[in-house]
Amino acid sequence: DFVMTQSPDSLAVSLGERATINCKSSQSVLYSSNEKDYLAWYQQKPGQPPKLLIYWASTRESGVPDRFTGSGSGTDFTLTISSLQAEDVAVYYCQQYYSIPLTFGGGTKVEI
Amino acid sequence: DVQLVESGGDSVLPGGSLKLSCGGSGFIFSDYWMSWVRQAPGKGLEWVAIMKEDGGEIEYVDSVKGRFSISRDNAQNSLYLQMNSLRVEDTAVYYCARGSRGSKYNIFDYWGQGTLVTVSS
Repeated sequence: DFVMTQSPDSLAVSLGERATINCKSSQSVLYSSNEKDYLAWYQQKPGQPPKLLIYWASTRESGVPDRFTGSGSGTDFTLTISSLQAEDVAVYYCQQYYSIPLTFGGGTKVEI
Repeated sequence: DVQLVESGGDSVLPGGSLKLSCGGSGFIFSDYWMSWVRQAPGKGLEWVAIMKEDGGEIEYVDSVKGRFSISRDNAQNSLYLQMNSLRVEDTAVYYCARGSRGSKYNIFDYWGQGTLVTVSS
């Protein structure tokens, strides 16, 4: 199974500052035939279901603000929130979809 | 608008059974892989089961194999999860999630609000 490890578990960032979340996969999620990384990011606010933010490691879902940026390849990935807004307070999860079982990271809680 | 609505969550004794349902609307249900994802109280997300558009492929996380069964009725735009031999560790909010169209490589672009299953004596 692909084990997804996120760091840190939580972080506090001032409004307008940058937040950086890391996700490491135990195996590469880069599919050599199409050079795509099978890695997604989700945001979950309290009492709500998760919301898809990014897929293919760096493609923003429609409607997601451009302050959210995904980067990385292979086994190491980063989600960056360039200028934290109050509405970005949430838990963020990475997910690999390269292989069954589909697996998520443990989550990173972002606070102000 | 795409909507997924789960139902069937309840409080049950260990060893008991429960069947969850998920109704989809606002999209062509039969065009998409569908999954169940769960979240234990205060914990992270765990994918549980997935079914191909036509029901031809099914996969489960190891911890539920032999106990849970995913099914769908495309004519009714519905997804189901039959849960047997329930354990305390199955306690969670269960989400229905829309997967990919035409591909087994699934991300989840729409989620229901979830239904709570509590297994306790």
